[in-house]
Amino acid sequence: DTEVTQTPKHLVMGMTNKKSLKCEQHMGHRAMYWYKQKAKKPPELMFVYSYEKLSINESVPSRFSPECPNSSLLNLHLHALQPEDSALYLCASSQEWRLQKETQYFGPGTRLLVL
Amino acid sequence: QKEVEQNSGPLSVPEGAIASLNCTYSDRGSQSFFWYRQYSGKSPELIMSIYSNGDKEDGRFTAQLNKASQYVSLLIRDSQPSDSATYLCAVKTLDYKLSFGAGTTVTVRA
Repeated sequence: DTEVTQTPKHLVMGMTNKKSLKCEQHMGHRAMYWYKQKAKKPPELMFVYSYEKLSINESVPSRFSPECPNSSLLNLHLHALQPEDSALYLCASSQEWRLQKETQYFGPGTRLLVL
Repeated sequence: QKEVEQNSGPLSVPEGAIASLNCTYSDRGSQSFFWYRQYSGKSPELIMSIYSNGDKEDGRFTAQLNKASQYVSLLIRDSQPSDSATYLCAVKTLDYKLSFGAGTTVTVRA
């Protein structure tokens, strides 16, 4: 089973709202990722968690705040977003982070629209 | 120079033909290479991974890797309309990040 789940599927929020995206996997993977994908562009890495610790932050603005409550869950807290933050937000997981031959499996994504 | 470059699309092929997708990468030390398929509005789905020089076949898909030329390709044999999607080449860099190409959009004409 290579399933990563994400909720919600769609989210519309105003620039003053606070919302959270949720990602879950039950494959025993110890690495989890957040990516952002704009239309007709490839995914861009935002954050990497390894063993529930933040390993990579790709200079993401502080209005995006990741959280890894346990090894199966990954959240992305959103606050004071801008319209240009509208995108597909993808969660992924892999067995480990710092191994070359590791495959990342993507969740279905959350399509976010900021008004 | 971009880390991962894919042949520009879109690529249109008739049903039953072979679709050939190419990808080059700049980091000579890269060891892991992946092809993802992404349908419009959906998330990337892994098709193939390849780590050694040569060919790797899985059903109608064949991945080819040539590390000396820093080149990865994906062949789709007997293309079907359901193969119409964007194909993303991804290379794991030496700092363990996955670097994606811009993607090649394939349309299979019935």
